[in-house]
Amino acid sequence: NAGVTQTPKFQVLKTGQSMTLQCAQDMNHEYMSWYRQDPGMGLRLIHYSVGAGITDQGEVPNGYNVSRSTTEDFPLRLLSAAPSQTSVYFCASSFTGAAEKLFFGSGTQLSVL
Amino acid sequence: AQKVTQAQTEISVVEKEDVTLDCVYETRDTTYYLFWYKQPPSGELVFLIRRNSFDEQNEISGRYSWNFQKSTSSFNFTITASQVVDSAVYFCALNTGNTGKLIFGQGTTLQVKP
Repeated sequence: NAGVTQTPKFQVLKTGQSMTLQCAQDMNHEYMSWYRQDPGMGLRLIHYSVGAGITDQGEVPNGYNVSRSTTEDFPLRLLSAAPSQTSVYFCASSFTGAAEKLFFGSGTQLSVL
Repeated sequence: AQKVTQAQTEISVVEKEDVTLDCVYETRDTTYYLFWYKQPPSGELVFLIRRNSFDEQNEISGRYSWNFQKSTSSFNFTITASQVVDSAVYFCALNTGNTGKLIFGQGTTLQVKP
């Protein structure tokens, strides 16, 4: 099993560009989430989903959109990239929710110039 | 509001020393879950332990041990006889009630020198 797969690993954007970070899991997990990691701030929750068709906001949702059309995929969309969105992004999943062990992807390092 | 505080930003020890990483949490819920994750220099996040609020027993796993004290809202992590491979960023995290949110602390960077 591949676990949680994130693509791309690295990305450089110009301010105002849009892009989608991909996340897929092959463990049949119901719960998926996106975090951003910034120095000195730990990991902050952007959006999460408790199942296909259901999404909700985390701590820092502004500037990001998500959708969950299938159990396997949970893409994160940056609508109009800003330098403040320069960060490392992690996708994570678990069987049923945030009260369980999370399986993390390897991360995407995003720079917005 | 839920919050996790890891007051130690960076800790540096010499190999074979014992080291304790502090974690203090805030929640008004009676049911909650606490976690520790490790992030080695390679960048991936690795699950270490999960504890629920009804189980205050300390846990030991090899050189790792965890001390959960509800009276002080703390969930501290001790590494005995530290090794260079323990060098990493360690995160404490909290999930309360039955929400979809896992709240992380700021992380503690541990450097173990040979």
